[in-house]
Amino acid sequence: AQKVTQAQTEISVVEKEDVTLDCVYETRDTTYYLFWYKQPPSGELVFLIRRNSFDEQNEISGRYSWNFQKSTSSFNFTITASQVVDSAVYFCALSAVGGAQKLVFGQGTRLTINP
Amino acid sequence: GAGVSQSPSNKVTEKGKDVELRCDPISGHTALYWYRQSLGQGLEFLIYFQGNSAPDKSGLPSDRFSAERTGGSVSTLTIQRTQQEDSAVYLCASSLEAWDYLQQETQYFGPGTRLLVL
Repeated sequence: AQKVTQAQTEISVVEKEDVTLDCVYETRDTTYYLFWYKQPPSGELVFLIRRNSFDEQNEISGRYSWNFQKSTSSFNFTITASQVVDSAVYFCALSAVGGAQKLVFGQGTRLTINP
Repeated sequence: GAGVSQSPSNKVTEKGKDVELRCDPISGHTALYWYRQSLGQGLEFLIYFQGNSAPDKSGLPSDRFSAERTGGSVSTLTIQRTQQEDSAVYLCASSLEAWDYLQQETQYFGPGTRLLVL
C-alpha cells in the first residue's frame, strides 16, 4: 500500500522567512513518481513539480526548491523569502507507474504567510 | 490553451436526489480522473478513464456512484440518491497517456464542483 504523510497541518510565518514543508512517503514500488500541488483559496489544484524515483537531484525553481531523499523516503519543499501570495494549502502526492497511475495524496499543509 | 473545466461550480441538492457533475478535460488528454476532497477524508481517488473505458473504479464509495465518458472527452459523474456524507468537492483531472510503462504524465486539475447535500 502507498501512503503519504504531511505531518505539518498548519504553518504560519512572517513574510520573507524561509519555510520548509515536509513530506514522507511509503511504497513498495521501486519505480514511482512524487508530486507537489498548490491549492490557493480559489480551490484549484495547481501542479508545481513532478519527480521520478530514479532522479534524486534537488531542483530549484525561483524561490522554490525540492529535496528528494530516497534513503529517508522524503520529498520536502522549501520556499525561500516567502510572500503573501504563497499562502495556500500544499499537497504532496505519490503515484505508482503502470495501471491507473492514480495519485495518493497527503493530508496537506496549510501555509499562511503574514505581512 | 484551455484547462480542465467542470460544471456546475456549486451544487446544492436535497438528500435523496440524483446529481450529475460534468468534466471537460484538456484537449488531447486521453486519461481522465475523478477525485473527491472532503474534510474528513482528504483527497481521494474515485475513478480513472483511459479513453472511454474505466479500468479502475476502485475508489467509487458505493454503487450509488457511477461515471461515464463519451467520445474520449467529456465525463459525467452521477451520484444517485444523494446522502449528506456525499457533500464534498469533486475534482476532475486529465493527463496525456504515458508513452512508456515506466512513465507518468502530470495530472492537471479542474476547479472542482462543490456539492452540498442538505
